[in-house]
Amino acid sequence: ETGVTQSPTHLIKTRGQQVTLRCSSQSGHNTVSWYQQALGQGPQFIFQYYREEENGRGNFPPRFSGLQFPNYSSELNVNALELDDSALYLCASSLPTGGAARNYGYTFGSGTRLTVV
Amino acid sequence: AQRVTQPEKLLSVFKGAPVELKCNYSYSGSPELFWYVQYSRQRLQLLLRHISRESIKGFTADLNKGETSFHLKKPFAQEEDSAMYYCALSGYSTLTFGKGTMLLVSP
Repeated sequence: ETGVTQSPTHLIKTRGQQVTLRCSSQSGHNTVSWYQQALGQGPQFIFQYYREEENGRGNFPPRFSGLQFPNYSSELNVNALELDDSALYLCASSLPTGGAARNYGYTFGSGTRLTVV
Repeated sequence: AQRVTQPEKLLSVFKGAPVELKCNYSYSGSPELFWYVQYSRQRLQLLLRHISRESIKGFTADLNKGETSFHLKKPFAQEEDSAMYYCALSGYSTLTFGKGTMLLVSP
């Protein structure tokens, strides 16, 4: 059984650029969530994907967008990067959340450290 | 809106001392609560879930709906327990985290 893998591990971008982060979910998990963790803070929910559709979104602007593919892997895209976007971006996979299925917890990847200069 | 509060940024104890990491939550529905742990240079990992009523690595956590709390406890801390601990609340499709408490266990 493989865990959650994220790529790249580190990334440096210039303000105004666009970035794509990638995530492969744990075997058997069909739901992927993305989180932003700023220094000294807990992870903040960006959005969740289930069956290739967005299934919930946190308080992030539209320039944060995502995709989920048929194999359940996912991408996070951020356009027009700002300095405050510098953070650790975490991907987490799970069984479907909502209703009775939300009790199992999430498996997290190691994250992508994004630095915007 | 759902919210998780961990009032302590840092908790420093000596080996063998009891530990209690505090967590309070705000949620209008029936909460599902978790504790996650992040050891140095490791990924965030699930420590325990309230519905399991389990003890992992000697840690337990009891959900108190009256006090809206889910404190993490261990009777005798070990040096290897030093880590960042996050309390998290599961909503429909979101997991809301507290800001975390750093536990430092000194010899």
